[in-house]
Amino acid sequence: GENVEQHPSTLSVQEGDSAVIKCTYSDSASNYFPWYKQELGKRPQLIIDIRSNVGEKKDQRIAVTLNKTAKHFSLHITETQPEDSAVYFCAASRPGAGGYNKLIFGAGTRLAVHP
Amino acid sequence: NAGVMQNPRHLVRRRGQEARLRCSPMKGHSHVYWYRQLPEEGLKFMVYLQKENIIDESGMPKERFSAEFPKEGPSILRIQQVVRGDSAAYFCASSKTGGGQPQHFGDGTRLSIL
Repeated sequence: GENVEQHPSTLSVQEGDSAVIKCTYSDSASNYFPWYKQELGKRPQLIIDIRSNVGEKKDQRIAVTLNKTAKHFSLHITETQPEDSAVYFCAASRPGAGGYNKLIFGAGTRLAVHP
Repeated sequence: NAGVMQNPRHLVRRRGQEARLRCSPMKGHSHVYWYRQLPEEGLKFMVYLQKENIIDESGMPKERFSAEFPKEGPSILRIQQVVRGDSAAYFCASSKTGGGQPQHFGDGTRLSIL
């Protein structure tokens, strides 16, 4: 089955710096890759996603890149702010029975942005 | 437009009791997913349901756990004869359709077993 590895497990940056989180997946049939942000005690919130027919997607300070050949994808946050501090999860999925996508999550990256 | 609603937010049970967790998907969503999150860990898929059908329960423990999504009412995740190891946060997500559509999560139910 699908396996998703996420690195680093913790990341500490100064406000204004960039942060990069990387994930690798094992199943070459995976075609949908969302990223979630989870603050302490709260729900995972979808922040950006990318499909396998696209190499890069950007939304303001957040961007995601996908390398299908190498089977890895990355989250890039520019001009980080203290409110970006949270745990970030990557996920991958492939079409399953009936065409649905079951999400397989990475273990998470705890990002701390220091003022 | 209300998001995914889960209740209760916190649930305390003693070993051997039953726990029932409820999830109402977003308006217009007919696909429901349940995930379990242990402290300091990621989310693990448990089960995927559409109205009145279990599509994939490959992540559900074989015993004591069951899920349903009736024609009327919320989806229910049921844990019978709870044990300490069942303590976790249980999140429900919903999507409009199945194929690679974004899944939106509820606030979760934090289950504690005494």
